[in-house]
Amino acid sequence: GAVVSQHPSRVICKSGTSVKIECRSLDFQATTMFWYRQFPKQSLMLMATSNEGSKATYEQGVEKDKFLINHASLTLSTLTVTSAHPEDSSFYICSARGVGGQETQYFGPGTRLLVL
Amino acid sequence: QQQVKQSPQSLIVQKGGISIINCAYENTAFDYFPWYQQFPGKGPALLIAIRPDVSEKKEGRFTISFNKSAKQFSLHIMDSQPGDSATYFCAASSMNRDDKIIFGKGTRLHILP
Repeated sequence: GAVVSQHPSRVICKSGTSVKIECRSLDFQATTMFWYRQFPKQSLMLMATSNEGSKATYEQGVEKDKFLINHASLTLSTLTVTSAHPEDSSFYICSARGVGGQETQYFGPGTRLLVL
Repeated sequence: QQQVKQSPQSLIVQKGGISIINCAYENTAFDYFPWYQQFPGKGPALLIAIRPDVSEKKEGRFTISFNKSAKQFSLHIMDSQPGDSATYFCAASSMNRDDKIIFGKGTRLHILP
């Protein structure tokens, strides 16, 4: 149990385009989903926290207009990187925390974004 | 201010040896301490977790030791295998579900065959 999927696993796009990444909790309902960014050989950097049906809370320094997050249901959250630039190239990982007082976060497999 | 300090940054262990990774935290409100294992190009996977009401938790070859008074916890991997080669992250959070999970900077473990 506690499986989180991400789609796509890898995406290459041109500078200036927008890219949408989906995060799904497959076998549990996730009241809270988190989006992280990870640079090579570094730890995970939390970008934002989203609760189902409400606006996401962004970490300091993360542009909310550039990284649009939608958490429309208890099993789906999306991250849209708008007007992507090469510096947005990174490994994006989502995680989900379930209902019922569970503090454990389960992570997705990650999405490798390369902006040309 | 880094709230979870992890060491060492990298670790090389012979096959069959014991791998030990240490973490220290500052926030006494933390009451949940998970360890995550991450292979290259993959997302982190929950390995084992402990709460402060116990001093040790063992699952197979993986053991967490917890010292509440020192605000330290460690991961021991017994009989380390080449397949254990990965990056390990310790983390901490509180029962307050609005709190974020705080990660250490990670330890790159390499097990020599």
